[in-house]
Amino acid sequence: QKEVEQDPGPLSVPEGAIVSLNCTYSNSAFQYFMWYRQYSRKGPELLMYTYSSGNKEDGRFTAQVDKSSKYISLFIRDSQPSDSATYLCAMSTLNSGGYQKVTFGTGTKLQVIP
Amino acid sequence: GAGVSQTPSNKVTEKGKYVELRCDPISGHTALYWYRQSLGQGPEFLIYFQGTGAADDSGLPNDRFFAVRPEGSVSTLKIQRTERGDSAVYLCASSAEWAGKTYNEQFFGPGTRLTVL
Repeated sequence: QKEVEQDPGPLSVPEGAIVSLNCTYSNSAFQYFMWYRQYSRKGPELLMYTYSSGNKEDGRFTAQVDKSSKYISLFIRDSQPSDSATYLCAMSTLNSGGYQKVTFGTGTKLQVIP
Repeated sequence: GAGVSQTPSNKVTEKGKYVELRCDPISGHTALYWYRQSLGQGPEFLIYFQGTGAADDSGLPNDRFFAVRPEGSVSTLKIQRTERGDSAVYLCASSAEWAGKTYNEQFFGPGTRLTVL
C-alpha cells in the first residue's frame, strides 16, 4: 500500500464548477500537507500548505485536512480553463536531519471545459 | 529573479550509456532535492543536499545513480549504464535553509525528460 493515495482521474468539469480533489494517507507522522499544481511539461508549483486539521482558504482555493481520518481535500471554486492541470497532493515528515521529506500522490489530471 | 533551471530539457540516450543532468538552484538556496517522475506518477524523492553534502540519498534506486554538489550551488545527477526503466522526468527543487518548524517551500525546475532507447 502506498503512503499517499490519490485518484488519478482524469476529471473533466464545465467552467464555473466546484472541483473537489482528494487524497488519503497512512502515515500518522506526516506534519505538513500541501497541494501542488503541475502544468504539462512544467515542474510542480506550490498552491497551498497547511499543518493542522481544518480549512485554509486562499482565493478560489480551499485546502481541508482531517488528520483523524487521514484525508485531505482541495476545493476549487468557480473553476476556470486556466485551472486545467495535474494537481498533486503532498505530505511531509520532519526528517532526523532537520528537513522536510516530501511524499507525493500520483496526481489528478483536471480539465475545465469552457 | 531566476527560478530553478535544468539542462538539458530533453535527453535521449541508448541503453548502457552514461548521462549527466544538471540543476541550477535559486541563488542563495542551500537545500537542493532531486526527484524522479515517471509517467502518470507523482515525483519520487531521490536525494537531498544541504550545502555541499548529501544529507539523505535514501531514494537513489541503486548504485548506478550518483549526485554531486561540489560548491553548494549547481548539482549534477549522474546515471551510469542507463536502462530503459530509467526513462522519466528528473526534477530538481531548491529551498531556503530549514528554519525550525516553518515549512520551506520547494521551488521546482521544469525537469529533464530522459529517454533511454
